[in-house]
Amino acid sequence: GESVGLHLPTLSVQEGDNSIINCAYSNSASDYFIWYKQESGKGPQFIIDIRSNMDKRQGQRVTVLLNKTVKHLSLQIAATQPGDSAVYFCAENGGYSTLTFGKGTMLLVSP
Amino acid sequence: NAGVTQTPKFRILKIGQSMTLQCTQDMNHNYMYWYRQDPGMGLKLIYYSVGAGITDKGEVPNGYNVSRSTTEDFPLRLELAAPSQTSVYFCASSSPEDFADTQYFGPGTRLTVL
Repeated sequence: GESVGLHLPTLSVQEGDNSIINCAYSNSASDYFIWYKQESGKGPQFIIDIRSNMDKRQGQRVTVLLNKTVKHLSLQIAATQPGDSAVYFCAENGGYSTLTFGKGTMLLVSP
Repeated sequence: NAGVTQTPKFRILKIGQSMTLQCTQDMNHNYMYWYRQDPGMGLKLIYYSVGAGITDKGEVPNGYNVSRSTTEDFPLRLELAAPSQTSVYFCASSSPEDFADTQYFGPGTRLTVL
């Protein structure tokens, strides 16, 4: 079946650097994508989303880029902070607001 | 608003025992979901509901049952616990009226079956 996956399981960066987390999706019919952040022992927390009629969306220190041609999604975090250390999941909609989640990328930020 | 709350936070079951995981949301969301998350993995959808009295299976429904008698509550029932059901369980809710189909998650229930 079609699924959402991630390129890198772990990303280590220095505090202050910009981080880029990538995600590949295979369902060309997906029209909505979300990035979630999950800290240890907590539930996923919404970060930012994007619909398929957009190729870029910005939030506070975060930007999501969508490339429908190659079915690629990325999350950019500017000036990464230790508090950004977490597992990041991309997810795509599956109808009735159901979501299909990727396996996640762990972001480790060193001071 | 408290958002999505789940009880209990932790539970250890013996094989064959049963239990109900509770989930309540106070955001008046019509849609509610149950996921399980195995170590190092993403979330897999167990069951979901688009409103009171309506439930449907997700990707991994076997061994679980749900009911939705009110908008606020969406309990998940395990009838005969098995070691394969050891996992962290997350409940979530969303509203189709929101611009985004954003799901809001509870803090999770960590279940161990021995």
